[in-house]
Amino acid sequence: GAVVSQHPSRVICKSGTSVKIECRSLDFQATTMFWYRQFPKQSLMLMATSNEGSKATYEQGVEKDKFLINHASLTLSTLTVTSAHPEDSSFYICSASRVNNEQFFGPGTRLTVL
Amino acid sequence: TQLLEQSPQFLSIQEGENLTVYCNSSSVFSSLQWYRQEPGEGPVLLVTVVTGGEVKKLKRLTFQFGDARKDSSLHITAAQPGDTGLYLCAGANGSQGNLIFGKGTKLSVKP
Repeated sequence: GAVVSQHPSRVICKSGTSVKIECRSLDFQATTMFWYRQFPKQSLMLMATSNEGSKATYEQGVEKDKFLINHASLTLSTLTVTSAHPEDSSFYICSASRVNNEQFFGPGTRLTVL
Repeated sequence: TQLLEQSPQFLSIQEGENLTVYCNSSSVFSSLQWYRQEPGEGPVLLVTVVTGGEVKKLKRLTFQFGDARKDSSLHITAAQPGDTGLYLCAGANGSQGNLIFGKGTKLSVKP
């Protein structure tokens, strides 16, 4: 149990385009979903927290208009990187929480912006 | 701001050796989780500790939560090459369930 999927696993796009990443909890309903960014050889940096049906809570320094988060159901959250630039290239990971604050992570999405 | 100091940052050992990874904070956490992450993949939950003083074992891995719930350790006995990876500790602050992550320990076990 507690499987989280992410799609796509890899995406390469041109500068200025938008990219949508999907995060799904496959076998449980997630009360909260989280989006992280991870730079090479570094730990995870929380970008935002989202609850189903409400606006996401963004961490300080994360632009909400650039990283659009939609949490339409208890099993699906999407992150859209709008007008992507090379500096947005990174490894994006989502997680879903169930009970006891345990978070279960997706496999990540490698974004490369040319 | 809550911080979780994780050490060591890098660890390279021979197969069969023992090792301990530490996570320390001045803050109290409602729970603490340990994850293992391989390159290009998401972190995988190893264990959650909730009670101060709690000890959990997962085969050759022993996890301990400090009495005051401010620190934790991961001890690996007789490490094997398959244990290689990035180990992350993460403390929960109990509000929205946000996790505070340590910087990670990159473990390399050589055969």
